[in-house]
Amino acid sequence: EVQLVESGGGLVQPGGSLRLSCTASGFAFSSYNMNWVRQAPGKGLEWLAYISSSSRIIHFADSVKGRFTVSRDNVKTSLYLQMNSLRDEDTALYYCARNLIGWGYGSVTYPVFDSWGQGTLVTVSS
Amino acid sequence: QSVLTQPPSASGTPGQRVTISCSGSTSNIGTNTVHWYQQLPGTAPQLLIYRNNQRPSGVPDRFSGSKSDTSASLAISGLQSADEADYYCATWDDSLNGPVFGGGTKLTVL
Repeated sequence: EVQLVESGGGLVQPGGSLRLSCTASGFAFSSYNMNWVRQAPGKGLEWLAYISSSSRIIHFADSVKGRFTVSRDNVKTSLYLQMNSLRDEDTALYYCARNLIGWGYGSVTYPVFDSWGQGTLVTVSS
Repeated sequence: QSVLTQPPSASGTPGQRVTISCSGSTSNIGTNTVHWYQQLPGTAPQLLIYRNNQRPSGVPDRFSGSKSDTSASLAISGLQSADEADYYCATWDDSLNGPVFGGGTKLTVL
């Protein structure tokens, strides 16, 4: 069974940092491109970041570019989101999401995320 | 404010057919495929339709998608109470050079 489990969320002050993790199991993690998507309380979905299976290709939404970094460890089957210079508006539930296999960023079949974690809540507040 | 416009709410009675629209432009829906996600209350989104009208395995054929020009639609036939959820459309935007989601539509089964 495919499982994605996020962790690392919590309460952080504005300007602070947080590192989210997403641990994958039940599939060949190293073969899949991965994404981070967030959802502010009561709001819609916002794509944040993409990392290819080999980590060679990385993209970010403008809203987090320069503040967030994404990485992965295919041996540990884990995906990470390092969030710096956090703002109030970064408060959200953060999901990791698996890309449909064989398709990459900007392809005709993007954004198609066929598995999602349960999310980890990040609250930015003083 | 999303570049993809969805009605904030929709409703129907059990057994009815409902449609949810997703309106965009030539830089997104007009030139790219559309995907749909279902988010049941308190849960993570799930892929419902991809590439305009393709259903992942396990998705009932009561759910169907279509696209015409700069708009897309999700249709749900034989509406069930279990279909009560938020529905999001998504696509690629050539002008923004990135993926975009619609604002979501909350479906209520009366």
